[in-house]
Amino acid sequence: GENVEQHPSTLSVQEGDSAVIKCTYSDSASNYFPWYKQELGKGPQLIIDIRSNVGEKKDQRIAVTLNKTAKHFSLHITETQPEDSAVYFCAAISGNTPLVFGKGTRLSVIA
Amino acid sequence: NAGVTQTPKFQVLKTGQSMTLQCAQDMNHEYMSWYRQDPGMGLRLIHYSVGAGITDQGEVPNGYNVSRSTTEDFPLRLLSAAPSQTSVYFCASSYAAPGLGEQYFGPGTRLTVT
Repeated sequence: GENVEQHPSTLSVQEGDSAVIKCTYSDSASNYFPWYKQELGKGPQLIIDIRSNVGEKKDQRIAVTLNKTAKHFSLHITETQPEDSAVYFCAAISGNTPLVFGKGTRLSVIA
Repeated sequence: NAGVTQTPKFQVLKTGQSMTLQCAQDMNHEYMSWYRQDPGMGLRLIHYSVGAGITDQGEVPNGYNVSRSTTEDFPLRLLSAAPSQTSVYFCASSYAAPGLGEQYFGPGTRLTVT
């Protein structure tokens, strides 16, 4: 089955700097890669996703890139703000199978 | 729309007790899932359902039962609670399989088994 590795487990950045979180997956048939943000005491919320036929997707300050050959995808957050502090999860899926999540990255943005 | 609701928010059980974690959604979603979240372990799938009357096991199903008698509700039953089941439990729903539709998560239930 699919296995998703996520790095780093914790990340601290200064406000205004960029943050990058990386994930690798094992199943070459995986075709959908969402990213979730979990704020303290809440459930995860989808922030951006990418499909295997696209190499990059942007939404304001966040972007996701996908390298199918290397089987890795990354989340990029630019101009970080204190409200970006949260736990971020990547996930991968193939077809109708359930999502497989990475172990999460705790991002702290220091004002 | 209330979205995905979960009750209770917090629960303390003694070893061996049973209980049901409730999950309901009002978005007419076919696909519903239960996850547990443990420190450093991410989100692990317990059980999921692709529609009323259909359930299947996820990665960590032992010690848990589910049923799906209606589209709206997907309760998770702990038959005989164990300390290893201390965790935060999240219910999620989506219009279709997660690769085809956004998955919405509930606020979670924090369960402690002593």
